[in-house]
Amino acid sequence: SQKIEQNSEALNIQEGKTATLTCNYTNYSPAYLQWYRQDPGRGPVFLLLIRENEKEKRKERLKVTFDTTLKQSLFHITASQPADSATYLCAPGAGSSGGSYIPTFGRGTSLIVHP
Amino acid sequence: DAGITQSPRHKVTETGTPVTLRCHQTENHRYMYWYRQDPGHGLRLIHYSYGVKDTDKGEVSDGYSVSRSKTEDFLLTLESATSSQTSVYFCAISESLASGDHNEQFFGPGTRLTVL
Repeated sequence: SQKIEQNSEALNIQEGKTATLTCNYTNYSPAYLQWYRQDPGRGPVFLLLIRENEKEKRKERLKVTFDTTLKQSLFHITASQPADSATYLCAPGAGSSGGSYIPTFGRGTSLIVHP
Repeated sequence: DAGITQSPRHKVTETGTPVTLRCHQTENHRYMYWYRQDPGHGLRLIHYSYGVKDTDKGEVSDGYSVSRSKTEDFLLTLESATSSQTSVYFCAISESLASGDHNEQFFGPGTRLTVL
């Protein structure tokens, strides 16, 4: 069955450093992968989408990579700030090759940025 | 925030009672979804809708039913609530379901349901 793995342990980093979060998937080949941010008590908020034919996508301080050989996506936040502290969810989705178009969400990784 | 509201925001009920949660959108998006979020499980899809009166099951649909009589409203019903349905429920909408085109989901604020 399809499986999505994100680090269950919180990632603690110092302000100003680059945070790197990992999303690994097995048993399917997603056509795209989304990343969301979720703050406590609130619904997830969409951040970025990367397609299978894209190696890298950037938006302001955010960068996402998508390695279909390694079956992995990396999510980077450069110059991190305490306001970046949240849980980050990855959500791969299938395309016309099979599987559900609806993205399946990973459990998320908590990021804590210390001042 | 996208125009999505959920009601009620909090509810406490007893085992065996029926419960209906409402999701209302003002974005005129075609697709609507109901998820539940539990510690250790993340977000899991319950049901989704791809149009008025068009719905389909998700990963964890047992014990739940849905209805969509208008574009803007998507109802989730627990016919006879059980303690295992204690959870936070999120509604989401998306414009598209295509591979990577406008298919990002916009989430509501959530409903915290406790079944005693």
